Amino acid sequence: SQTIHQWPATLVQPVGSPLSLECTVEGTSNPNLYWYRQAAGRGLQLLFYSVGIGQISSEVPQNLSASRPQDRQFILSSKKLLLSDSGFYLCAWGGHPSNYGYTFGSGTRLTVV
Amino acid sequence: QQQVKQSPQSLIVQKGGISIINCAYENTAFDYFPWYQQFPGKGPALLIAIRPDVSEKKEGRFTISFNKSAKQFSLHIMDSQPGDSATYFCAASEFNTGKLIFGQGTTLQVKP
Repeated sequence: SQTIHQWPATLVQPVGSPLSLECTVEGTSNPNLYWYRQAAGRGLQLLFYSVGIGQISSEVPQNLSASRPQDRQFILSSKKLLLSDSGFYLCAWGGHPSNYGYTFGSGTRLTVV
Repeated sequence: QQQVKQSPQSLIVQKGGISIINCAYENTAFDYFPWYQQFPGKGPALLIAIRPDVSEKKEGRFTISFNKSAKQFSLHIMDSQPGDSATYFCAASEFNTGKLIFGQGTTLQVKP
């Protein structure tokens, strides 16, 4: 069966510090991968998606970047965090014939202080 | 540009009642319409989904009604239970990209 792992679960970072969130998928190959951000009490905002290694599409111009160094690994990064980067970050895989809906990771709660 | 509009934003239902959440979309290229359930601090989980070639899909107490001509779909939760209290998101998938566009979410509270 397919599983998705996301870490860390919570993170408190000072303004101006770097960020690296990692997501990995097991049990499938060549998954479509997605990063979403959810502000408190708000909906899901698509940040990046990837259909293959090294292929990244950005949905919203921002202080973040994404990379896909391996088939089942998706990384969300920032060089210098802003207060507005605080939120709940979710990785997902799907949009694929074997999993047309999305399977989400457990999320990372990021607080920038 | 919001392509999937969801209402209401919040909903309070008595135990045993029917919860109804509505969504409307604009893009006729959408070909898959899932609903997700999210509990606080957790990632959303796929609840039920429908394709536009059927008008209704039922799984247990959860039913999706789909109106292709009106570009609307809704989630009905029958015999609502306190354990159903969560945030619900509708979504629509673009057939050419697989991207899911989410509604803004509905916070459901089921009172005992």
